[in-house]
Amino acid sequence: KQEVTQIPAALSVPEGENLVLNCSFTDSAIYNLQWFRQDPGKGLTSLLLIQSSQREQTSGRLNASLDKSSGRSTLYIAASQPGDSATYLCAVKDGSSNTGKLIFGQGTTLQVKP
Amino acid sequence: EAQVTQNPRYLITVTGKKLTVTCSQNMNHEYMSWYRQDPGLGLRQIYYSMNVEVTDKGDVPEGYKVSRKEKRNFPLILESPSPNQTSLYFCASSLSAGLWETQYFGPGTRLLVL
Repeated sequence: KQEVTQIPAALSVPEGENLVLNCSFTDSAIYNLQWFRQDPGKGLTSLLLIQSSQREQTSGRLNASLDKSSGRSTLYIAASQPGDSATYLCAVKDGSSNTGKLIFGQGTTLQVKP
Repeated sequence: EAQVTQNPRYLITVTGKKLTVTCSQNMNHEYMSWYRQDPGLGLRQIYYSMNVEVTDKGDVPEGYKVSRKEKRNFPLILESPSPNQTSLYFCASSLSAGLWETQYFGPGTRLLVL
């Protein structure tokens, strides 16, 4: 059974730091991996989608990498800003299922201090 | 604006009183899904729909019903809500359930069952 883990559960950094959020999954048979941002009282915003055949995706200050063989993904945030404060979730689309289901990690809550 | 909408956003009800949470998308997506999010358990899929009139159970379907009479709408029905259904509910949609698709999430509905 696929399990997704995110470490750390919470992270606090000063503004301007570069930081890395980690995501690991137990079964490498995935179709893709998606990173989301969740703000309090709001829905999930998709940040980046990496297909299983890809190694990384970039959007602005965000860079996500995928190492399927080791079951790991990282989300790199450059020059962090207070507006980046949110909970970041990673989710995999499991290769053992054709239901379209995403399997989520518990999330990393990021606080960027001015 | 392309979006997934949910109503209501917040709901307090009592045990046993039937309720419906609506979900609508304006992107002509075939695939729609419901998740619930609980502390310590993350997001779990309740039901999904591959297309109109095609629905199936996710991981935690007990106590819920869905229908998909039109492509754009996918209501979640709680026939007899119980306190253990207190949760944050998200509706999601994608072009299809295919391998390459990004899923888009609604803003969430916070439900409290007394």
